[in-house]
Amino acid sequence: DTEVTQTPKHLVMGMTNKKSLKCEQHMGHRAMYWYKQKAKKPPELMFVYSYEKLSINESVPSRFSPECPNSSLLNLHLHALQPEDSALYLCASSRTRTSTDTQYFGPGTRLTVL
Amino acid sequence: AQSVTQLDSHVSVSEGTPVLLRCNYSSSYSPSLFWYVQHPNKGLQLLLKYTSAATLVKGINGFEAEFKKSETSFHLTKPSAHMSDAAEYFCVVSDRNYGGSQGNLIFGKGTKLSVKP
Repeated sequence: DTEVTQTPKHLVMGMTNKKSLKCEQHMGHRAMYWYKQKAKKPPELMFVYSYEKLSINESVPSRFSPECPNSSLLNLHLHALQPEDSALYLCASSRTRTSTDTQYFGPGTRLTVL
Repeated sequence: AQSVTQLDSHVSVSEGTPVLLRCNYSSSYSPSLFWYVQHPNKGLQLLLKYTSAATLVKGINGFEAEFKKSETSFHLTKPSAHMSDAAEYFCVVSDRNYGGSQGNLIFGKGTKLSVKP
């Protein structure tokens, strides 16, 4: 099974709201990732967790706050977002961060910020 | 530095004809290369990957790719296109630098494949 699940599928929020995106995998992977994808563009890396520790934050604004409560779960907390943050947010996981390990992607959360 | 160039932003084929999506890479190391497919409003699905084993890699749904070191290419092919193949395709290299960026994916800009009936 190579499934990564993400909830919710769609999210509409105002600029003053606080919401969270959730990602889960049960493949025993120890690396998990958040990506942001705008229309007609490739995904852009936001955060990387390795063994439940944040190892990369690609200069993401503080209104995005990641959390890795355990090896199977990854959250992305959202607060005071801007309309330009509207995008598809993808979660991925891989066995480790070795370059030969495949990253498996979830179906994404389509976020709209009003 | 590693990079990926997808030579066509859009490819259009007729159903039942061959598909060729072109990808060139740049890497100082022996690369790990991937092709992913993304259908509209969906996540990315792995089609196939190359990690220095056989140079001809077979993937899902009849796709295959050949790693050619002399040409620094990793083109994706399929003998006969199906309507369900219409999607965005990304050629990807995985960062092999031993450091903070190891394992990060470097994406090409994508090729949109259209399949005409």
